[in-house]
Amino acid sequence: AQSVAQPEDQVNVAEGNPLTVKCTYSVSGNPYLFWYVQYPNRGLQFLLKYITGDNLVKGSYGFEAEFNKSQTSFHLKKPSALVSDSALYFCAVEDSSGSARQLTFGSGTQLTVLP
Amino acid sequence: DGGITQSPKYLFRKEGQNVTLSCEQNLNHDAMYWYRQDPGQGLRLIYYSQIVNDFQKGDIAEGYSVSREKKESFPLTVTSAQKNPTAFYLCASSIAQGMTDTQYFGPGTRLTVL
Repeated sequence: AQSVAQPEDQVNVAEGNPLTVKCTYSVSGNPYLFWYVQYPNRGLQFLLKYITGDNLVKGSYGFEAEFNKSQTSFHLKKPSALVSDSALYFCAVEDSSGSARQLTFGSGTQLTVLP
Repeated sequence: DGGITQSPKYLFRKEGQNVTLSCEQNLNHDAMYWYRQDPGQGLRLIYYSQIVNDFQKGDIAEGYSVSREKKESFPLTVTSAQKNPTAFYLCASSIAQGMTDTQYFGPGTRLTVL
């Protein structure tokens, strides 16, 4: 079975500081990993994904994520946070060895960027 | 303007009533999905469809039904058998149900049972 964990329900960071939102996963095969962002009462917006290749993935709005196979992690990062980055962030995983192509989502991390 | 639309944005239902949530996409995607979102629980898969006239149960299908008569449309019916239907419902689509295909989401429907 595949699973994903976001250990922090809430992350607070000052504007201009770097931010990190943590994600760890568990799969049987190789992982396909995704980050989405959700603003209040809106759908999810795709930020970036890791399928294969370079461990550092760059995405939308200046976000990036680093795939670490030994630590089974896929943390989301941004060098300089903006107040407008405040939102709910979801990590998701899909197991490449699974028979059904399904995403499993983490419980979400609420990011608040303080001015 | 391409994308995924869901209607209505807000929906109120009395106990014992069935309600149908609409999801339409004009992205020419083959695969479509329905998720339920509850606070602190992330998203859980209700049903998915890889192709017209075919759909599969997800993790929490009990009390829900779907149809896929057209490629563009994947309506979700919340039946009276669903014990706790109050939630935020999200529809998504992807080119195909392949491992590299990104799912794109609609704006959601918030269902409240009165």
